[in-house]
Amino acid sequence: DTAVSQTPKYLVTQMGNDKSIKCEQNLGHDTMYWYKQDSKKFLKIMFSYNNKELIINETVPNRFSPKSPDKAHLNLHINSLELGDSAVYFCASNLGQSEAFFGQGTRLTVV
Amino acid sequence: KQEVTQIPAALSVPEGENLVLNCSFTDSAIYNLQWFRQDPGKGLTSLLLIQSSQREQTSGRLNASLDKSSGRSTLYIAASQPGDSATYLCAVYPNNAGNMLTFGGGTRLMVKP
Repeated sequence: DTAVSQTPKYLVTQMGNDKSIKCEQNLGHDTMYWYKQDSKKFLKIMFSYNNKELIINETVPNRFSPKSPDKAHLNLHINSLELGDSAVYFCASNLGQSEAFFGQGTRLTVV
Repeated sequence: KQEVTQIPAALSVPEGENLVLNCSFTDSAIYNLQWFRQDPGKGLTSLLLIQSSQREQTSGRLNASLDKSSGRSTLYIAASQPGDSATYLCAVYPNNAGNMLTFGGGTRLMVKP
């Protein structure tokens, strides 16, 4: 049973397209996150979503928007993709400030 | 703004050595600290979570310590094995900022047979 699952695992798309990445957790956690890992492998928080409260890292372009249909899902929508958006995107979840669990990542390549 | 630093950035050791990975953070007002392992092309695997009231946690050959006042954590790996080769990441939970983990840049470990 995968605790935090993301789809797709790989995504190749052209500049200017709009794409979505899905994330689901079956751990009963109340907080979900999106992180971006750049080419230098540095992980940076993008969003935190808890009980309908969204906290946004101010450096994230507004082309990125998280959408949560329910507590177990947090999807990431990206509009007008740019070359610089190429990275690995990780979904994570936890309960309060307990141990965080991460998905396997989605490698996005914009060509 | 919290900054997390991990030194060294890369480490290569022969099999069997005991080793220490270092993590430092600039703001000591943290809630928890978590160590992760990342294999190439894979996701993050949680190794240990140290709560702010704790000074250390152990899991098998791994021992992590936390000194909030000095802004430091160490991950000790005993009797290293080639299978331990991976990138090790530490991350801190600030007391505010919506539970968002702040990560260090990681230490890339290579254990040679």
